[in-house]
Amino acid sequence: GENVEQHPSTLSVQEGDSAVIKCTYSDSASNYFPWYKQELGKRPQLIIDIRSNVGEKKDQRIAVTLNKTAKHFSLHITETQPEDSAVYFCAARDSNYQLIWGAGTKLIIKP
Amino acid sequence: NAGVTQTPKFQVLKTGQSMTLQCAQDMNHNSMYWYRQDPGMGLRLIYYSASEGTTDKGEVPNGYNVSRLNKREFSLRLESAAPSQTSVYFCAGQGSSYNEQFFGPGTRLTVL
Repeated sequence: GENVEQHPSTLSVQEGDSAVIKCTYSDSASNYFPWYKQELGKRPQLIIDIRSNVGEKKDQRIAVTLNKTAKHFSLHITETQPEDSAVYFCAARDSNYQLIWGAGTKLIIKP
Repeated sequence: NAGVTQTPKFQVLKTGQSMTLQCAQDMNHNSMYWYRQDPGMGLRLIYYSASEGTTDKGEVPNGYNVSRLNKREFSLRLESAAPSQTSVYFCAGQGSSYNEQFFGPGTRLTVL
């Protein structure tokens, strides 16, 4: 079945710098890759997603890239701000249409 | 429009006790999910319901049962709680397979 690995587990960046979080997946049939943000004590919320028929998608300061050949996808956050501090989860949809989740990355924005 | 709601928000049980976690959605979602989230870990799927009247096991179903009472409601039952079931439980709804999953606020469960 599908397996999703996410790195790093913790990422600390200076405010204003960029942050990159990477995920790899195992099932080449996976075709949908969302990213969720979870603030402390809150519920996960979708921030961006990408389907396998595109290589990149951007929404203001957030972008996701997908490399189907290498089976990895990444979240890019530019010009980081204090409100970007949270845990970010990647996921891949498996052949049963269920989301398989990465373990999460805690993003810390240093002032 | 309340979205996805869960009750209770917090619960403490003793080993062996039973309880039901309630989830309801008013977003007309076909699919509903129950996840558990343990510290430092991602979301693990317990059970899901692709449509009213159907339920299927996820990654970690042991010790749990579910009921999709109608399109709006999806409950999770612990028949005999164990300390290993201490976790935060999230319910989610989804309109179609490419749509966003909307999560409830979570239930923090402690089993002593």
